[in-house]
Amino acid sequence: DTGVSQNPRHKITKRGQNVTFRCDPISEHNRLYWYRQTLGQGPEFLTYFQNEAQLEKSRLLSDRFSAERPKGSFSTLEIQRTEQGDSAMYLCASRVTGGQTGELFFGEGSRLTVL
Amino acid sequence: AQSVTQLDSHVSVSEGTPVLLRCNYSSSYSPSLFWYVQHPNKGLQLLLKYTSAATLVKGINGFEAEFKKSETSFHLTKPSAHMSDAAEYFCVVSERGGYQKVTFGIGTKLQVIP
Repeated sequence: DTGVSQNPRHKITKRGQNVTFRCDPISEHNRLYWYRQTLGQGPEFLTYFQNEAQLEKSRLLSDRFSAERPKGSFSTLEIQRTEQGDSAMYLCASRVTGGQTGELFFGEGSRLTVL
Repeated sequence: AQSVTQLDSHVSVSEGTPVLLRCNYSSSYSPSLFWYVQHPNKGLQLLLKYTSAATLVKGINGFEAEFKKSETSFHLTKPSAHMSDAAEYFCVVSERGGYQKVTFGIGTKLQVIP
C-alpha cells in the first residue's frame, strides 16, 4: 500500500517521558503536515514541511515539541517531558505542491495517552 | 484569512432518510473545499472535493455537495442514510496557491438511528 503510514498507532507513556512518532508520506508528496486532534475537536495544525524545510509552526507547538524531516521523506515528531495535556491523536498528512486539488492524504494517526 | 463554520456539532437521522450537514466558509481567495469523514479511531478519508469545476460535486458512498459562492456554503448531502455513515464529518477549506493553508471545521458527528 502506498498511503501515508504512521507508527506507532498507540503509545501509552508516563508523564515526563519522551515519545517519538514517525510518519512516512506518499512517496511523491513533497509537503508533509502534522496535526493534533483531541476528543471531540477537529484537527489542529502543528507544523508543515516542504521537502526537508520546516516552513511553519503553530503556536500550539511548544518548545517540548520538535519535528524533523531530514531527507525530505519520512518525518518524526518528538515530544519531550510529556504532560497529560499532550494526550491526543497525532495525525500526519501529505500532498503534492501546487496540485490542482490540494487535497491532503492522511495516515491513520498515532494516539498518545500520557498517564 | 479563512475560516470554516460547521453549523451543527451533532446530527441525528433515521436510516433511509436524507442527510444534510451544513458548512459555511470564509476565504479571501477562491478556495478549494473538501469534506472528510473520520470513523472512530481512524484517520481522515476524503469524501469529495470542490476545485472550481462543477459546483455540484459527487463523492464516495453516495455523498454530494454543492458549492454556492453567493451563500459561501458547501453543504454535504446524501439522499438515504446508511448505518455505516455514522461517523464524524469535517468541512475543510484550502487556499489554491502559495502556502495552500488548510483550515478544518470543528466537525459534525452523524448518528444514524436504525
